[in-house]
Amino acid sequence: GAVVSQHPSWVICKSGTSVKIECRSLDFQATTMFWYRQFPKQSLMLMATSNEGSKATYEQGVEKDKFLINHASLTLSTLTVTSAHPEDSSFYICSARGLTDAKPMLLNEQYFGPGTRLTVT
Amino acid sequence: GNSVTQMEGPVTLSEEAFLTINCTYTATGYPSLFWYVQYPGEGLQLLLKATKADDKGSNKGFEATYRKETTSFHLEKGSVQVSDSAVYFCALSRYTGNQFYFGTGTSLTVIP
Repeated sequence: GAVVSQHPSWVICKSGTSVKIECRSLDFQATTMFWYRQFPKQSLMLMATSNEGSKATYEQGVEKDKFLINHASLTLSTLTVTSAHPEDSSFYICSARGLTDAKPMLLNEQYFGPGTRLTVT
Repeated sequence: GNSVTQMEGPVTLSEEAFLTINCTYTATGYPSLFWYVQYPGEGLQLLLKATKADDKGSNKGFEATYRKETTSFHLEKGSVQVSDSAVYFCALSRYTGNQFYFGTGTSLTVIP
């Protein structure tokens, strides 16, 4: 099946610094990538949707200037948390959908990465 | 709006016990329903899905039936194994949009 990786798997940073999280599709072309956030004992919440080569679409309430998303290639999307604060500490998960054998994946086929645990001190 | 409510855990069962994890949903239109599983240190994996009312999704001994009348999609397995220990997420999506709506996840531990 399709594999999505994330790097790093966990990161600790100081308040006020920025941190970048990478999401890669390893064996397929990801035309669309999604970024989710999960607080302890809560649901995964969609933050934004990014299509390769275009600007990301952010969900209501998500600050686009704080959570910068870049989807520059068909295999890589990055999420940069700028000027991080302790309340940004969370589990960030990406997922991807795209092309397999040159055919578009079904709309509801998304492949998830293992997640990145961010702790801001 | 769209939302998913699933049974809170953690759930601890003995091997070969019967498993039920409840999931109910609220949605406009006719969503597709999913169960995802997350093993320790891994990403979410699709376990099973159902795209219309009365459909039954099944995989690896797990089953769930799309019940429109009760807006439910409960996950069941007749005999759990230690290797089933994981976190299970119920989710819905609509074909007209990209978004998945997830439940809070239920942690299952199966002891020998």
